[in-house]
Amino acid sequence: EAQVTQNPRYLITVTGKKLTVTCSQNMNHEYMSWYRQDPGLGLRQIYYSMNVEVTDKGDVPEGYKVSRKEKRNFPLILESPSPNQTSLYFCASSAEEWDPYGYTFGSGTRLTVV
Amino acid sequence: EDKVVQSPLSLVVHEGDTVTLNCSYEVTNFRSLLWYKQEKKAPTFLFMLTSSGIEKKSGRLSSILDKKELFSILNITATQTGDSAIYLCAVEGYSGGSNYKLTFGKGTLLTVNP
Repeated sequence: EAQVTQNPRYLITVTGKKLTVTCSQNMNHEYMSWYRQDPGLGLRQIYYSMNVEVTDKGDVPEGYKVSRKEKRNFPLILESPSPNQTSLYFCASSAEEWDPYGYTFGSGTRLTVV
Repeated sequence: EDKVVQSPLSLVVHEGDTVTLNCSYEVTNFRSLLWYKQEKKAPTFLFMLTSSGIEKKSGRLSSILDKKELFSILNITATQTGDSAIYLCAVEGYSGGSNYKLTFGKGTLLTVNP
């Protein structure tokens, strides 16, 4: 089944403790992206990647890092999480060429930083 | 900066009603406009509208794109309680070279009461 897999689904952590949220897709998509969703603010893009070793900042990149060493994986790294990074995070992917099915989203990771 | 504005932010109707959700946008180098439905988890793809496909229909849902006036509408006829969800509008624009990014509106929360 074609899908985007995020882990973990839920995570509670303490301020300053480094964490990684993994994202993997099995559709051979070139494009991958991370979003955070907050009440009243909608979905905002954190980082995106056009292909392996090509990443760029989205609208809210501060406090996050990403890497794209393999086509299928696009982890999101919080080196020193803070409470304002408590949010619902989504990973998404699409084919670089015209993809009539738009972007496929993972199931989301609900992160709480205390 | 790319911008997507959805209205209304929230809407409550009765089963059987017809609803129209609005999405206006400002984007540099428009590529496509997408509609998503989000229930309790990840957004699921509904439609993609492009320069070559400005009207889409699937069952009770339909959408049009007006590239001149820079807006789109999503129509749902004969609404059912299962249509209750957040409906997200997103616009894809080229951000330089072959890079492109997806900008989301804040969404419209639709509640369909029996």
